[in-house]
Amino acid sequence: EAQVTQNPRYLITVTGKKLTVTCSQNMNHEYMSWYRQDPGLGLRQIYYSMNVEVTDKGDVPEGYKVSRKEKRNFPLILESPSPNQTSLYFCASNRLAGGSPQYFGPGTRLTVL
Amino acid sequence: AQRVTQPEKLLSVFKGAPVELKCNYSYSGSPELFWYVQYSRQRLQLLLRHISRESIKGFTADLNKGETSFHLKKPFAQEEDSAMYYCALAPQGGSEKLVFGKGTKLTVNP
Repeated sequence: EAQVTQNPRYLITVTGKKLTVTCSQNMNHEYMSWYRQDPGLGLRQIYYSMNVEVTDKGDVPEGYKVSRKEKRNFPLILESPSPNQTSLYFCASNRLAGGSPQYFGPGTRLTVL
Repeated sequence: AQRVTQPEKLLSVFKGAPVELKCNYSYSGSPELFWYVQYSRQRLQLLLRHISRESIKGFTADLNKGETSFHLKKPFAQEEDSAMYYCALAPQGGSEKLVFGKGTKLTVNP
């Protein structure tokens, strides 16, 4: 089944404790991205990747890191989480072709105390 | 820079009434446009895209290049249509990042 998976689905942590949210897709998509979703602000893109070893900042990259060592995986790293990073995070992927829709993961709800 | 604007944060209609969710965009080329829907506590999923010109769950959307709009319409709203709707733009050729609007929360009242 074609899908995007994220882990963990729910995470409660404390300020400053490094964490990683994993994202994996099995559709051989070139393009992957991370979004955060906050009430009233909609979806905001954090980072995106056009292909292996090619990443770029989205609209709200501060406090986040990503890596793309393999085509299928695109982990999101929070080196020192802060309470303002409490949010719902979505990973997405799509083919790099005009008109190709994005497929979204199920979301990770992160709470930073 | 490309931009997607959804002017209504909230939209409330009664069951059976027509509904229109507005989307305007700015982009110098010819974009690909999409509507995504997010039901309560679920992931975003593609509702429709302008290149396929199909109707999904009774929804349609027409790209109006003159007005740079891609409004989503349904003639008779159903309670199960209550959800968050996002309009999105993909640049032609896929060489740039995708852009989403801030979303419109649709509530269909019984």
